Amino acid sequence: NAGVTQTPKFQVLKTGQSMTLQCAQDMNHEYMSWYRQDPGMGLRLIHYSVGAGITDQGEVPNGYNVSRSTTEDFPLRLLSAAPSQTSVYFCASSYSSQTEAFFGQGTRLTVV
Amino acid sequence: GQQLNQSPQSMFIQEGEDVSMNCTSSSIFNTWLWYKQEPGEGPVLLIALYKAGELTSNGRLTAQFGITRKDSFLNISASIPSDVGIYFCAGHLTYGGSQGNLIFGKGTKLSVKP
Repeated sequence: NAGVTQTPKFQVLKTGQSMTLQCAQDMNHEYMSWYRQDPGMGLRLIHYSVGAGITDQGEVPNGYNVSRSTTEDFPLRLLSAAPSQTSVYFCASSYSSQTEAFFGQGTRLTVV
Repeated sequence: GQQLNQSPQSMFIQEGEDVSMNCTSSSIFNTWLWYKQEPGEGPVLLIALYKAGELTSNGRLTAQFGITRKDSFLNISASIPSDVGIYFCAGHLTYGGSQGNLIFGKGTKLSVKP
């Protein structure tokens, strides 16, 4: 039972590069979300999706794009990486918007 | 934005001691969740609370959903070294533009001395 799978686990980017962080879940959850975790800041919501084809912005959406073409996948795209986007990124899924979320193992991103 | 105030920020305790941490907010929450995060890992769900006043246990862990729906606490009894980690509270708001979004506290870092 894989749960929520994130790839890659580590990534180093140069300023201005773009990349996509992958997230997949095998629990048939409708609700998926992306968070970033910075020291002393807890987890902050970047984007979320309540189902295939529907996405919305969270607390810190600038510099990130998402799409949800299938129930299983919710990739996060960095359009032009900046050092301020150095962080640990977590994808989560839940049965609905009001139930417990299950997290992936995270992607540690460094932008130089 | 909405905030959860989690305290304490960190705790240094002796093995065998009991631990208590809490989260408070000025907003009303539909759910309260408690997670534990170990280094290099994602948060792992410990306890989920869905009703005001609800008291739930998971082994040595006990959590309660405050009656006002604005707070929650987590207790750990007889701590052991593997309890080390960062504990996060989180909750779903009842209304507003961020309805359904999970709001996180900033975490309580627990250190246990054998």
